[in-house]
Amino acid sequence: EVQLVESGGGLVQPGGSLRLSCAASGFTFSSYWMSWVRQAPGKGLEWVANIKQDGSEKYYVDSVKGRFTISRDNAKNSLYLQMNSLRAEDTAVYHCARVVGYCSGGRCYVGGFDIWGQGTMVTVSS
Amino acid sequence: DIQMTQSPSSLSASVGDRVTITCRASQGISNYLAWYQQKPGKVPKLLIYAASTLQSGVPSRFSGSGSGTDFTLTISSLQAEDVATYYCQKYNSAPWTFGQGTKVEIK
Repeated sequence: EVQLVESGGGLVQPGGSLRLSCAASGFTFSSYWMSWVRQAPGKGLEWVANIKQDGSEKYYVDSVKGRFTISRDNAKNSLYLQMNSLRAEDTAVYHCARVVGYCSGGRCYVGGFDIWGQGTMVTVSS
Repeated sequence: DIQMTQSPSSLSASVGDRVTITCRASQGISNYLAWYQQKPGKVPKLLIYAASTLQSGVPSRFSGSGSGTDFTLTISSLQAEDVATYYCQKYNSAPWTFGQGTKVEIK
């Protein structure tokens, strides 16, 4: 079964740090771009970061640049999100997600998230 | 950054109705657009990518269209199980922004 399972969330004070992990199973993890997406309580979805299959390309939403770092360990089928200098507005459920890869007209593309983890809750509060 | 605006923010329709949700990008994004369905308490589910390609296993009553700046998600015959919030998302370049969502309810 294709599955993503997040861990590492919790309650942290403003300015603190957390490291989220996502364990992948049921598919060839090293073949896919991966992402983190968050959803604040009662709010919409917000894309946080992407990482290429070999980790050579990483992209972030502006609000987390310089504070969050996405990484992966293909040998361990795992995705990570190191979160530093946390703020109250980072409070959310954090999902890891697999990026769709598809080809059309002789070219290949990535986009859309076809597999989502259940998420891990991060609460930033004093 | 490119902004994604969905309309309406919410709608109420009867079972069997044709429902249309619109997503507008502030700049052209070709067809680099996905649609998701999120039922209450559940994780989002990919419905459509590349603006009009139906994800495997998604019922054929869902369809997507559009290119450039204007996109549409259509439910041809609304079913009770389609009650959810629907999101569009662009992925032509970072940031991969989501729309604010459209909540669909049954009248």
